[in-house]
Parts: sequence; C-alpha cells; structure tokens
Amino acid sequence: NAGVTQTPKFQVLKTGQSMTLQCAQDMNHNSMYWYRQDPGMGLRLIYYSASEGTTDKGEVPNGYNVSRLNKREFSLRLESAAPSQTSVYFCASSGGPGGGNTIYFGEGSWLTVV
Amino acid sequence: AQSVSQHNHHVILSEAASLELGCNYSYGGTVNLFWYVQYPGQHLQLLLKYFSGDPLVKGIKGFEAEFIKSKFSFNLRKPSVQWSDTAEYFCAALSYNTDKLIFGTGTRLQVFP
Repeated sequence: NAGVTQTPKFQVLKTGQSMTLQCAQDMNHNSMYWYRQDPGMGLRLIYYSASEGTTDKGEVPNGYNVSRLNKREFSLRLESAAPSQTSVYFCASSGGPGGGNTIYFGEGSWLTVV
Repeated sequence: AQSVSQHNHHVILSEAASLELGCNYSYGGTVNLFWYVQYPGQHLQLLLKYFSGDPLVKGIKGFEAEFIKSKFSFNLRKPSVQWSDTAEYFCAALSYNTDKLIFGTGTRLQVFP
C-alpha cells in the first residue's frame, strides 16, 4: 500500500534548467495537490486538481506548470528553474470535493537550484 | 479568498505547561479543518480533523481542538505538554465545495524539560 509516491526525492538544478516532479497515488483519489514548504512560510499551495482533467492555480503558481495525466498521476514542471524555487515540494491527494476526506501526503522532494 | 492565519509563530513552554495555538480561517463557505504536526526532519502527520458534528475534536497524543464557527477559529489545545511535543504545527482549511486546501504559516513549538 504505497499511498502517495513522489519522485525524485532529491534534485539539484542549475538556474535555467527544467525538470518535472512526479506524483502518483494508488488510492483512487479525485483530488491532488502540489505544495512548497519554506521556513517560516508554511505550506503554500502551487496548483491543485479536483478531478481528472482539471487543474487550478493555488497561492503561488508562477514559474510552475502541472499536468493531471490521469487519475493516478499529477506532475509539476519547472520550465526554467530559479534559485527562488529552492524548496521542499509535497504532493498530496484526497477523496475529492464534498468534504469528509482525509488528505494523504507524499514524503517530499528536496529541490535546490544553484 | 480562502486563507488561514496562525498568529503564534514561535511558542516556548516548559514541560507540563498548557498549550493553546490559535488558528483563524477566512472562507465564506463550508470548510473542513485540520491540524498537522511536523517533527524535525519528518513529513506532516495528521493530529486531528473537524468535518461536522461536535465542535470539540479530540486527536492523537492528547491534543484537542475546538471549532467556533462565529469566530472562524479552530484553536489547538493540550493540557500538559511534553518535551516530545517539540515540533511545528500547521492549521489547514479545506473548502467543502472546491477541495482547495490552504495551510497557515505554522507555529514552532519548543518544549523545555
């Protein structure tokens, strides 16, 4: 029972490089999320997807793109990485709109942009 | 716009002291509310959640929270903290209609023996 799986766990990028963070869940959840966590700022929502085929901006979407490839997978892409995107990224999933659902988190991806 | 405020950024307590961490949310519709804890070097762990019903919610490790709808608040409490409660605590609000989940900026709790 894997839950929410994120890859890679660690990555170092040079400024201007691109990369994709992958996230997959095996709980048949409708909603998926991407957050970044920075000291003193909590978890800030980048993008979320309330169902397959839909995505919505969160609090800090600039510099990121997402794809809800299918119900299981929700990827986050940095097209041209900047040092300000150095952070810990968390993927999460939940049953979907309507409340009453527990949110499950991945273990995080540590990204450093130099 | 949906938002969550945690007014205590850093709290320092001695063991056996009582704890109350404030959380206020801003959202016009129905919300589900959560408290998460993050121990040093670890990922988020759910402490407790409120969906409906009794506004006093009990969670793991002796924590509880009270939902006060008129004050848009969901404060976390523990009668007697332990050194092992040293961690960062996050309040979160989930929109019932859109499933958008927003976190507060967190409260760092340090408990000294």
